[in-house]
Amino acid sequence: NAGVTQTPKFQVLKTGQSMTLQCAQDMNHEYMSWYRQDPGMGLRLIHYSVGAGITDQGEVPNGYNVSRSTTEDFPLRLLSAAPSQTSVYFCASSYSGRNIQYFGAGTRLSVL
Amino acid sequence: GQQVMQIPQYQHVQEGEDFTTYCNSSTTLSNIQWYKQRPGGHPVFLIQLVKSGEVKKQKRLTFQFGEAKKNSSLHITATQTTDVGTYFCAGPDNYGQNFVFGPGTRLSVLP
Repeated sequence: NAGVTQTPKFQVLKTGQSMTLQCAQDMNHEYMSWYRQDPGMGLRLIHYSVGAGITDQGEVPNGYNVSRSTTEDFPLRLLSAAPSQTSVYFCASSYSGRNIQYFGAGTRLSVL
Repeated sequence: GQQVMQIPQYQHVQEGEDFTTYCNSSTTLSNIQWYKQRPGGHPVFLIQLVKSGEVKKQKRLTFQFGEAKKNSSLHITATQTTDVGTYFCAGPDNYGQNFVFGPGTRLSVLP
């Protein structure tokens, strides 16, 4: 039972490049979410999904896109990376947004 | 919008000393969760409190939910080096669909 798997663990991008952060869970959770963590800011919600085919914006959605074609996968896309997107990104899943959140190991992203 | 605040931001203690972090919400919460993140790691769920005035213990950790359900605390007795990390509280947002995390309290324990 792998839980929540995020890839890659580390990534360096140049300004303007695009990339997709992958997130997969094997717990059959309906709810999945993406957070970014910056020093002193805690965890800020980027996008979330309450089930396959349904996504919504969180607190800081600008510059990010998501899709949820299956229950298991919830990729986060950066279309044109900016230095302000340098951060640690965590994917989480849960039975619902109000239940225990299970986090992936994180992706550490640097945008130069 | 709803805000969840935590104090202190940082705490340095000598091993064996006690530690407390406080969490305050701008709105009444139906429940509150606590998470721990080790350095370089990811947040891990510790506990959820639901009832007004509720107190729960996990070994040396004591969690409390305020009577007005707007604040909570985490107290660690006789800290150990394994307690090092950042402790986050989280409460449901105004729509009850997501959790809003506090900024966290970073604990360092000096041996």
